[in-house]
Amino acid sequence: EAGVTQFPSHSVIEKGQTVTLRCDPISGHDNLYWYRRVMGKEIKFLLHFVKESKQDESGMPNNRFLAERTGGTYSTLKVQPAELEDSGVYFCASSRPGANTEAFFGQGTRLTVV
Amino acid sequence: LAKTTQPISMDSYEGQEVNITCSHNNIATNDYITWYQQFPSQGPRFIIQGYKTKVTNEVASLFIPADRKSSTLSLPRVSLSDTAVYYCLVGDAFYSSASKIIFGSGTRLSIRP
Repeated sequence: EAGVTQFPSHSVIEKGQTVTLRCDPISGHDNLYWYRRVMGKEIKFLLHFVKESKQDESGMPNNRFLAERTGGTYSTLKVQPAELEDSGVYFCASSRPGANTEAFFGQGTRLTVV
Repeated sequence: LAKTTQPISMDSYEGQEVNITCSHNNIATNDYITWYQQFPSQGPRFIIQGYKTKVTNEVASLFIPADRKSSTLSLPRVSLSDTAVYYCLVGDAFYSSASKIIFGSGTRLSIRP
């Protein structure tokens, strides 16, 4: 069974540009989560999808971040326009349907804004 | 979720047993204790969870005293590949539901030859 995959593994963009991160969850996992760790900080929750619906987006830092999960399969996280403080590692995780199920994390996308 | 305190870093050598202790003085009655492991350039992964006494799996053992205000993750005979960051979490879900997991700073374990 394939794990959670994220693309790209590393992205370097200039301040003001747009970047889109992609996450492919494990097949059959209705729950999909985005987390991130910015430089020097702890891993923090961003949002949670159940299928295509946003269950909780309380961790999204501001309106420059847009997450989508059309069709309830893969998800994208767009940052527009990117700022220096957005640099960090963005993790995606997925879990089986229902609450309280084990989450499996992807390897992360390292975003560097210069 | 209850706040946890664990050492920032630890060093050990191959073949040794490593014990990482986590304090969670404000743990609630319904809280479980969960440990995650994160290798360099990878996402965190669940390794063990318990409620009280002792839990053992193929990766580690988890010791929880009767008052549950602390817990100890024990890694038997570590190897270089056990070098990772280990996060202690407490939460009210059996698998510490991924929604809003609070990872904290974790313990950076370095294993030397």
